[in-house]
Amino acid sequence: GENVEQHPSTLSVQEGDSAVIKCTYSDSASNYFPWYKQELGKRPQLIIDIRSNVGEKKDQRIAVTLNKTAKHFSLHITETQPEDSAVYFCAASGNTNAGKSTFGDGTTLTVKP
Amino acid sequence: GAVVSQHPSRVICKSGTSVKIECRSLDFQATTMFWYRQFPKQSLMLMATSNEGSKATYEQGVEKDKFLINHASLTLSTLTVTSAHPEDSSFYICSAPRIAGGYNEQFFGPGTRLTVL
Repeated sequence: GENVEQHPSTLSVQEGDSAVIKCTYSDSASNYFPWYKQELGKRPQLIIDIRSNVGEKKDQRIAVTLNKTAKHFSLHITETQPEDSAVYFCAASGNTNAGKSTFGDGTTLTVKP
Repeated sequence: GAVVSQHPSRVICKSGTSVKIECRSLDFQATTMFWYRQFPKQSLMLMATSNEGSKATYEQGVEKDKFLINHASLTLSTLTVTSAHPEDSSFYICSAPRIAGGYNEQFFGPGTRLTVL
């Protein structure tokens, strides 16, 4: 089955700096790579996603890049703000396996004011 | 986006009682739903795959008789924690996938905080 590894597990940055979180996946059949932000006690919220036919996607301060050959994808947050502090999860899924997604272990991002 | 609801949002019960959690897809049909458990500061741990009209598929190490799953319709899956004990206290989240254009997007319920005294 699919295996997703996420690094780093914790990340602390100064407000205004950039943050980068990286994930690797193992199954070449995976074609959808979402990123979720989860605040304490709440559901994971989709913040950005990328499909396998695209190499990069940007939404304001957030961007995601995908390297299918190397099987890795990254989340980039620029101009970080204290409200960006949360746990971020990457995931990978394909159009088989009954819709199952495989999640990374999460990255706790702390943005210091 | 699609909406998934979950009820109750919070439950406190005594040890030995059973607790039922409902997960509903409100605006789309889901033949499959997923149940996760999440402990503090940890990732989502997939417990089982709920299959409409058939038995659930449990992940390794998850007790079938402890966590009963029923997927009676295309919009409702239930998770029953039987004879709950304090170690079952956790955050339980369901999700339902919606496949569009060959891509599988997950929609999460808001979660249920279970506290077993």
